[in-house]
Amino acid sequence: DVKVTQSSRYLVKRTGEKVFLECVQDMDHENMFWYRQDPGLGLRLIYFSYDVKMKEKGDIPEGYSVSREKKERFSLILESASTNQTSMYLCASRTLNPGANVLTFGAGSRLTVL
Amino acid sequence: GEDVEQSLFLSVREGDSSVINCTYTDSSSTYLYWYKQEPGAGLQLLTYIFSNMDMKQDQRLTVLLNKKDKHLSLRIADTQTGDSAIYFCAETPRSGGSYIPTFGRGTSLIVHP
Repeated sequence: DVKVTQSSRYLVKRTGEKVFLECVQDMDHENMFWYRQDPGLGLRLIYFSYDVKMKEKGDIPEGYSVSREKKERFSLILESASTNQTSMYLCASRTLNPGANVLTFGAGSRLTVL
Repeated sequence: GEDVEQSLFLSVREGDSSVINCTYTDSSSTYLYWYKQEPGAGLQLLTYIFSNMDMKQDQRLTVLLNKKDKHLSLRIADTQTGDSAIYFCAETPRSGGSYIPTFGRGTSLIVHP
């Protein structure tokens, strides 16, 4: 069964801490995405990566950075966490092979910043 | 304005049909999708439709696409309590060749006995 794994389901951090959210996929997918989900706002794209060492800003990149050193791993970094970054973070991946290009999502990482 | 719009809530009685509606803006989207999110979980693909189709049926699910009005709907027949979830409509507009998925805000479907 193909998978996107987000290593931390729940995290509690303090304001100003550096936070790493890790995402690993085992499907050899080229594209990977980080979304943020907030009630009533749906999914908003933070960053995406076409392939290894490639990254593009999404709609809300401020306060975040990403790293894609290996194809299977896409990390989201909060350099200095703030309370307004309390949210559910969803990672997804997608192949570029011809077809419907469906996203496969991880289970999510719920971050609380105190 | 939003690229993909859908109502936030829908409440139905068990056994009735549910219809979740969505409007999108970009006619370049090759596929349109419905994803389902159960409580505490990530999103899972429910179904998708190719843009040159009008309808797609898969067991209890029927997707209707009106390209002229840029309107997509998802009908769930004989709705069960297990169908309670958030349903997201999504498109993949061809923006500079990148096909970045854009999601609606999600419709919370509440099924009561």
